Amino acid sequence: DAGITQSPRYKITETGRQVTLMCHQTWSHSYMFWYRQDLGHGLRLIYYSAAADITDKGEVPDGYVVSRSKTENFPLTLESATRSQTSVYFCASSEISIRGTDTQYFGPGTRLTVL
Amino acid sequence: QKEVEQDPGPLSVPEGAIVSLNCTYSNSAFQYFMWYRQYSRKGPELLMYTYSSGNKEDGRFTAQVDKSSKYISLFIRDSQPSDSATYLCAMSHSIQGAQKLVFGQGTRLTINP
Repeated sequence: DAGITQSPRYKITETGRQVTLMCHQTWSHSYMFWYRQDLGHGLRLIYYSAAADITDKGEVPDGYVVSRSKTENFPLTLESATRSQTSVYFCASSEISIRGTDTQYFGPGTRLTVL
Repeated sequence: QKEVEQDPGPLSVPEGAIVSLNCTYSNSAFQYFMWYRQYSRKGPELLMYTYSSGNKEDGRFTAQVDKSSKYISLFIRDSQPSDSATYLCAMSHSIQGAQKLVFGQGTRLTINP
């Protein structure tokens, strides 16, 4: 299917475990983003990537690791999950335009619960 | 203080009403202003996009930006039950070529038939 997909859609894990959330886009967009959405905070940027092998921190990067070996994939890893990382995680992608920015397209989200 | 403030609601109005959603912000560097719509258990989708100050109309939706007051609005005319969703304002400025969005908390809107 064309577009941006995330897997798994739902995940329950325990404190201290490593968890990887997957994101895949078929548009060959240069930019990819990871956000978390929590009540009272809206969407907050965790990490973003401008191209393969180029990543940078967002607003709330602590406890997360990202990689981007291929343009189409941008996995997010929680190295040692904590209860405060219980959230809904959204991946997004966008392309560079003449004006220097462009629409971000969001995936369907992964609902993560850390017990 | 958050960079972008948005009343989380919830807001409930009858079908056909005019809806006004608002956000304020503190960072004068923001140049791009957006409204995203998010249905329950779905990802946000771009609804309206405005650069700098002014109005933009798209069907029943009108986006307004007042940079002097650091205030943006989204108006929905002739509201429909299908407009029931969470509406998020978002703003950005380019940093090293990336469009880094800052979102408001989102306003949950319900249109009652």
